[in-house]
Amino acid sequence: DAMVIQNPRYQVTQFGKPVTLSCSQTLNHNVMYWYQQKSSQAPKLLFHYYDKDFNNEADTPDNFQSRRPNTSFCFLDIRSPGLGDAAMYLCATSSWAGAYEQYFGPGTRLTVT
Amino acid sequence: EDQVTQSPEALRLQEGESSSLNCSYTVSGLRGLFWYRQDPGKGPEFLFTLYSAGEEKEKERLKATLTKKESFLHITAPKPEDSATYLCAVALTGGYNKLIFGAGTRLAVHP
Repeated sequence: DAMVIQNPRYQVTQFGKPVTLSCSQTLNHNVMYWYQQKSSQAPKLLFHYYDKDFNNEADTPDNFQSRRPNTSFCFLDIRSPGLGDAAMYLCATSSWAGAYEQYFGPGTRLTVT
Repeated sequence: EDQVTQSPEALRLQEGESSSLNCSYTVSGLRGLFWYRQDPGKGPEFLFTLYSAGEEKEKERLKATLTKKESFLHITAPKPEDSATYLCAVALTGGYNKLIFGAGTRLAVHP
């Protein structure tokens, strides 16, 4: 089945220790997104890629970076995680071919100690 | 400012007790409205897209409707497995497909 896969599902890192979260998709979608979701809150868009074009939300902290080496993979790098960065990180994809719904992966739960 | 508000924040129903969830929006231009279901510790699961006022979509016990200012997710004769958080999101005209999400309604259906 075509899907969005995120690894790892659970990640524990130490305060200030860089961490990378990964996302892959078999849907062959042009657009990939990274969201941050804290408990009982709406998902918050961090950035997205339209093919190789990177788009950063204005309020995304500089501490967050992203890479998309090819169509299928996208990475979220948190350079110096703080306690406030503990959250669920969601990867999503969408096709630019007229259908705008986004398909989400299962998420990575990040804990910062 | 573009905004999406969902109500109620939480809803408790008895099995078989029908109800509706509300999503009201204030946006500069609506490209589409989306409903998602999110189970605890999982990513949102796509349910419906609505594009224009008057449009309706159905899936099993769920029916989504859209007006110019709000959308409703009607749940008919719910079962305990319908318990989840239901998220509403809007996509704006112009620019890329950015979704603005509401905070969701946490639905609990008890036997």
